[in-house]
Amino acid sequence: QVQLVESGGGVVQPGRSLRLSCAVSGFNFNNYGMQWVRQGPGKGLEWVAVIWYDGSKKFYADSVKGRFTISRDNSKNMVYLEMNSLRAEDTAVYYCARDYPNNAMDVWGQGTTVTVSS
Amino acid sequence: QSALTQPRSMSGSPGQSVTISCTGIRSDVGKYNYVSWYQQHPGKVPRLMIYDVSSGVTKRPSGVPERFSASKSDNTASLTISGLQADDEADYYCCSYAGAYTWVFGGGTRLTVL
Repeated sequence: QVQLVESGGGVVQPGRSLRLSCAVSGFNFNNYGMQWVRQGPGKGLEWVAVIWYDGSKKFYADSVKGRFTISRDNSKNMVYLEMNSLRAEDTAVYYCARDYPNNAMDVWGQGTTVTVSS
Repeated sequence: QSALTQPRSMSGSPGQSVTISCTGIRSDVGKYNYVSWYQQHPGKVPRLMIYDVSSGVTKRPSGVPERFSASKSDNTASLTISGLQADDEADYYCCSYAGAYTWVFGGGTRLTVL
């Protein structure tokens, strides 16, 4: 079945880095763009980044631009989110999601928790 | 990239209908029909309920009941849930494509089924 599994979350100090991974299975990964969405504790959803199906284009929310990098490895069915210069406000559950046609997100992973704290 | 505006909470009795609004601006909800709605039960993963509000036809992924419908007028999108059921109690988020390959979510609406 279609499945997205995130990993790599944890507790990290402000200013440090962390890399999140999302393992994809159950569909032709090469045909889909992928998104990252986050949700702060007790807060709503916030779009973070998107990567084209072939990795050729990447776009970011203003709140993470210049600090986060999205990438993918189509040979491994993996999506990544490299997070640098982390701030307390980056604390959230990070979800990867499949980019559905018509600009929606139709399949979500279970999320991985990132806590930025000293 | 300001969040879309949703009511923080709404409620309804079983069998009733409720409509959740989602207000954006001319450059997101007002410009694109790419508005989607997500349901999130506490501690669970968001679920896509509605995508694309163009042409007055509600587009739902397979498995989403027809009780869920959506529309858009100018800068405001709406999600209507008819025949409320206990399991509809959840948080609902709208999301709009905002151009330049960016997206913006609403702040979320907590729906309580009385």
